[in-house]
Amino acid sequence: NAGVMQNPRHLVRRRGQEARLRCSPMKGHSHVYWYRQLPEEGLKFMVYLQKENIIDESGMPKERFSAEFPKEGPSILRIQQVVRGDSAAYFCASSPPRGPYEQYFGPGTRLTVT
Amino acid sequence: AQKITQTQPGMFVQEKEAVTLDCTYDTSDPSYGLFWYKQPSSGEMIFLIYQGSYDQQNATEGRYSLNFQKARKSANLVISASQLGDSAMYFCAMREGRVYNQGGKLIFGQGTELSVKP
Repeated sequence: NAGVMQNPRHLVRRRGQEARLRCSPMKGHSHVYWYRQLPEEGLKFMVYLQKENIIDESGMPKERFSAEFPKEGPSILRIQQVVRGDSAAYFCASSPPRGPYEQYFGPGTRLTVT
Repeated sequence: AQKITQTQPGMFVQEKEAVTLDCTYDTSDPSYGLFWYKQPSSGEMIFLIYQGSYDQQNATEGRYSLNFQKARKSANLVISASQLGDSAMYFCAMREGRVYNQGGKLIFGQGTELSVKP
């Protein structure tokens, strides 16, 4: 049973470009979460999605960031017009459709903005 | 507001000994779940153990156990018989709400870096 897949593992973007991060949840999992980890810090929640629905986006910056989890295909975290402060590790997690909804994490995408 | 505190930035333990990693939390919700994750130097986050606020017994998972003291709002992770491969960052996390009824965001602590000495 494959784990949570994220790609790319490393992404380099210049300031002003767009970054697209992809996440495929574990088989049978219908809940997806995105977190950001800045250097030397813990993970910070960004957004929680189910298929075609955003359940909680309380951790998402108001501008430039968006997320989706379409009916078919992976979940996408999109960052428009990236700035140096966006450089971080972005983790995706998925949970099964039953309690206690423990979250299993992917390997992360390390975004570097130059 | 919900909060997780890990007061030990770094810990050392001798191989084969037990070690306790501290975690305290703050929430006004009577329903919540507590989770521990391991992050090795390779960067992935590995789920270790879960404790629900209404669970009567402390959770155990192999060499991992959770010392849950609800009145003190603490959920310390105990690793028995430490191995060199246990060297990693360890994060405590909490999720509020009826954890068996719905999913939700995790709030993470700052982490504790554990080093196991041979």
